[in-house]
Amino acid sequence: NAGVTQTPKFRILKIGQSMTLQCTQDMNHNYMYWYRQDPGMGLKLIYYSVGAGITDKGEVPNGYNVSRSTTEDFPLRLELAAPSQTSVYFCASSYSRIHEQYFGPGTRLTVT
Amino acid sequence: QKEVEQNSGPLSVPEGAIASLNCTYSDRGSQSFFWYRQYSGKSPELIMFIYSNGDKEDGRFTAQLNKASQYVSLLIRDSQPSDSATYLCAPLTTDSWGKFQFGAGTQVVVTP
Repeated sequence: NAGVTQTPKFRILKIGQSMTLQCTQDMNHNYMYWYRQDPGMGLKLIYYSVGAGITDKGEVPNGYNVSRSTTEDFPLRLELAAPSQTSVYFCASSYSRIHEQYFGPGTRLTVT
Repeated sequence: QKEVEQNSGPLSVPEGAIASLNCTYSDRGSQSFFWYRQYSGKSPELIMFIYSNGDKEDGRFTAQLNKASQYVSLLIRDSQPSDSATYLCAPLTTDSWGKFQFGAGTQVVVTP
């Protein structure tokens, strides 16, 4: 039981490039989340999903897109990377909104 | 914007003492609260969930919820160096279908 896995662990992007951050969970959780965490700051919700085919915006969705075609996977797409997107990205999943969120190990992204 | 506020710290606590962390929130619809712990460079992990007024104890951790005053606190008794981390508060509101808003977190440093 791997829990929540994220790839890659680290990535450096040039301004204007695009990439997809992968997130997979093997706990059959309905809810999945993407957060970003800037240095010394709390978690900001980017997007979330309450089930396959259902996604919604969080607090800071601009510059990102998501899809949820399966229960297990919830990729985050960055289009036209900007330095402001330099951050640590965490994916999380939970059985429902009132249950514990399990976090992946994070992806450290630098945009230069 | 509904706010979740925590003192950023660092909160310096001698080993063996009690660490007291507070979280205030503006949304009166907040019904219950999660407390997560995040070690430096790691992902958050749940340490406490409290949903009713009063105290909830789990080992050396006690969460206290006062809905009338709109604050929730976390006490760490007999603080250990391994408790040095950032503690994040996250309210669960009735109108946040899947959304979560974490506080910025309080950094705790336990000194031997």
